[in-house]
Parts: sequence; C-alpha cells; structure tokens
Amino acid sequence: DAGVTQSPTHLIKTRGQQVTLRCSPKSGHDTVSWYQQALGQGPQFIFQYYEEEERQRGNFPDRFSGHQFPNYSSELNVNALLLGDSALYLCASSLDSSSSGELFFGEGSRLTVL
Amino acid sequence: QKEVEQDPGPLSVPEGAIVSLNCTYSNSAFQYFMWYRQYSRKGPELLMYTYSSGNKEDGRFTAQVDKSSKYISLFIRDSQPSDSATYLCAMSVWNTDKLIFGTGTRLQVFP
Repeated sequence: DAGVTQSPTHLIKTRGQQVTLRCSPKSGHDTVSWYQQALGQGPQFIFQYYEEEERQRGNFPDRFSGHQFPNYSSELNVNALLLGDSALYLCASSLDSSSSGELFFGEGSRLTVL
Repeated sequence: QKEVEQDPGPLSVPEGAIVSLNCTYSNSAFQYFMWYRQYSRKGPELLMYTYSSGNKEDGRFTAQVDKSSKYISLFIRDSQPSDSATYLCAMSVWNTDKLIFGTGTRLQVFP
C-alpha cells in the first residue's frame, strides 16, 4: 500500500520564478492538505482540498494556489518566488469520512530559492 | 503568544531512559491531539493520536492529554538511539480541521 508520494524531492529556483509541486495521496484517501515547514519550525498549514475544491486556507498570500484532480492527487503552485519561500513543502492526506481525521504525510519537496 | 508552545530542546538522554515531551496550548476548542516523529530531512510520521482527554498507550509510547490544564505529553520508555529525532505535537478543533503544530523538540538518545 503506497503512502503519500511527492515530487520532486528537491528543486532550486530563483526569485520571481514559479514552481509546481505534486502529490499523490495514500490509497483510499480523498482529502489533501499542504503544509510549509521552514528550517527549525513546525509545519504551517497552507490549504486543504476536498472534492476538487479548496475547503480551508491558512494565512498564506494568493501567490500560493492549488488544485485537486478527480483521482484525488493535488498540485501546489507558488508564483513570484521569494527567498522566504525556501522550505520543505509537505503534502498530507486523510479520509474525510474518518472520525479520527488522522493525517499522513509524504516525505516532502525541499524548495530552495536563490 | 503562539497557539501551541513546545520546548525546542535539544534533549539529550542515555539509552534506556524515560523521556517526557510536552506541549501547552491556548485554544480550549482543540479536541484532537497528535504526536509526530520526524527524522532529519524526512516527512513527519504519525506516532500517537488521542481524542479529548485521557491516556493512550502503544508499546513504549504513552500519550497524555489534560484539557483542564491545556497540556499534552508524550512519554517514551526504554528509549533507544533509533528514537533520536524531532518530535512534533499537533492539534485541531475538529477531525478534518487544519493541524496546528508546535515547533518540535529535538531528542538525542546516546548509547
């Protein structure tokens, strides 16, 4: 049973560029959330997708956008990259109908902005 | 004031010690409490999950939630060098809600 998979694992961009990160949820899961983890910090919630709609959003600017596809996979897009966007981007999946809502994370995509 | 406070450590203990990790929080609406373990440059791995107050035990790990004090704990018995990692507490208001994380406590268990 494959867990949450993310791609790419590492990437380097320059300021002003755009980036797209991809995520496939754990088998059977229908909800995808994205988190940003800066070095030495806990993950910060970006947004959550369910039924191809953004259901919840954290305190991130509009430069951060996302999408969920009919097969439940998801993309995170960041435009006009800033140095401060350098972080580990984590995708997490869960099952909406689960009473516990346990969240399972992927290994992350490490973004470096130069 | 952050919603969730966690001592960043590092915490260094000898192999076999009992480890106590703690978080405090300010939002009394939190009902779901989790502990994640994160190895260096890896994603967080769910260790323990607790709903509302009480204790939960799983092998060498015990999670405690005291909602009256807004305080949660993770105990690790017979700690091993392989337990060396960063431990993150996380909590949410309802089961599909966003998770609010602590900053993580770095634990080192030396042989």
